[in-house]
Amino acid sequence: NAGVMQNPRHLVRRRGQEARLRCSPMKGHSHVYWYRQLPEEGLKFMVYLQKENIIDESGMPKERFSAEFPKEGPSILRIQQVVRGDSAAYFCASSGTDQETQYFGPGTRLLVL
Amino acid sequence: EDQVTQSPEALRLQEGESSSLNCSYTVSGLRGLFWYRQDPGKGPEFLFTLYSAGEEKEKERLKATLTKKESFLHITAPKPEDSATYLCAVQNGDKIIFGKGTRLHILP
Repeated sequence: NAGVMQNPRHLVRRRGQEARLRCSPMKGHSHVYWYRQLPEEGLKFMVYLQKENIIDESGMPKERFSAEFPKEGPSILRIQQVVRGDSAAYFCASSGTDQETQYFGPGTRLLVL
Repeated sequence: EDQVTQSPEALRLQEGESSSLNCSYTVSGLRGLFWYRQDPGKGPEFLFTLYSAGEEKEKERLKATLTKKESFLHITAPKPEDSATYLCAVQNGDKIIFGKGTRLHILP
């Protein structure tokens, strides 16, 4: 029973490039959440999606960041024109409903040079 | 504003030395309080969900309790493999708000 999968696990980008982070939820889960974790900081909510719908993006920066969860395939968190401050660990979580426990993936560690 | 504060930030214990981690919270409408364990370089691993004051849950050497303002994670006779960062989080609506965690180190 595969858990939440994220890839890549590590991603290095130069300033100005684009970063694409992928998340496949646990089998049977249709709710996906993205979080960011900065060094010495707690996990911060970014966005909550269901299939083909963004439910809550109140934690997403207004510019350069976008997320999608298409009908087929993984959820994608996209960061355009990355800056050094985007360097962080990005975690995806999934749940069966919005009232159930969220289970986390292993994260993608983004380093912007 | 919803807030989660964990204490202490770090804790070093000898193997077998029991202790408790604290999580204080303020939230407008608590839908659940969660404890996760996070090892270096990995994602948070789910431990417990508590829903109402007075509720308790146990798993091996861990026991989580909940009051109206705080939660405790009690660790009984810990072993070195219990070393990790323990995260507390509260759910309000569809968002989960995390504390910064307590880094626990168990010395053999």
